[in-house]
Amino acid sequence: EPEVTQTPSHQVTQMGQEVILRCVPISNHLYFYWYRQILGQKVEFLVSFYNNEISEKSEIFDDQFSVERPDGSNFTLKIRSTKLEDSAMYFCASSRQGRLETQYFGPGTRLLVL
Amino acid sequence: AQKITQTQPGMFVQEKEAVTLDCTYDTSDQSYGLFWYKQPSSGEMIFLIYQGSYDEQNATEGRYSLNFQKARKSANLVISASQLGDSAMYFCAMREGSSNDYKLSFGAGTTVTVRA
Repeated sequence: EPEVTQTPSHQVTQMGQEVILRCVPISNHLYFYWYRQILGQKVEFLVSFYNNEISEKSEIFDDQFSVERPDGSNFTLKIRSTKLEDSAMYFCASSRQGRLETQYFGPGTRLLVL
Repeated sequence: AQKITQTQPGMFVQEKEAVTLDCTYDTSDQSYGLFWYKQPSSGEMIFLIYQGSYDEQNATEGRYSLNFQKARKSANLVISASQLGDSAMYFCAMREGSSNDYKLSFGAGTTVTVRA
């Protein structure tokens, strides 16, 4: 069964450093998403991406964040200058279509900013 | 205002018994989708079940069923014949369909612990 994959599974970085989180969505899916979950809190939407552009972003997704689909398979989230409060689990998700289609999540990348 | 409310932070259930997890939602859209996800201690998010707002039948997937009461705006998850492997956090989520709003809005989650 096809699944969303994410690398790395864990990342530790120093405050102020740039990190890139990588995702490979399910191959025939067209919509891609990033969510984050701070430890013990609910899952929060960051950004959705379709047709090589951002379709929606939350207020969390400020200028420090960017997304890219550099080739036909990868989808990346870059945090330019990490802050302590960026420590969270980051989930990539994909769906075949938009609107009410099920979003399938990857296993997550646990990011720790020191 | 919260779009998804899960009022039960934690629940205990005996193995082989059924458990109901509550979820209420708030939307003015006529078209929306409701989802349940399971998050085991390993951290991944596993899709369980989906209910569309226009679906007349309650959704079922194996041991999971969704008790959808549209007038009450509730979408409770029922897990029948609980197994030890069902111990996890469960999240209710909604996606509103009438706009170009693709995001899922999640509730705070309910932790289920299955006892042998």
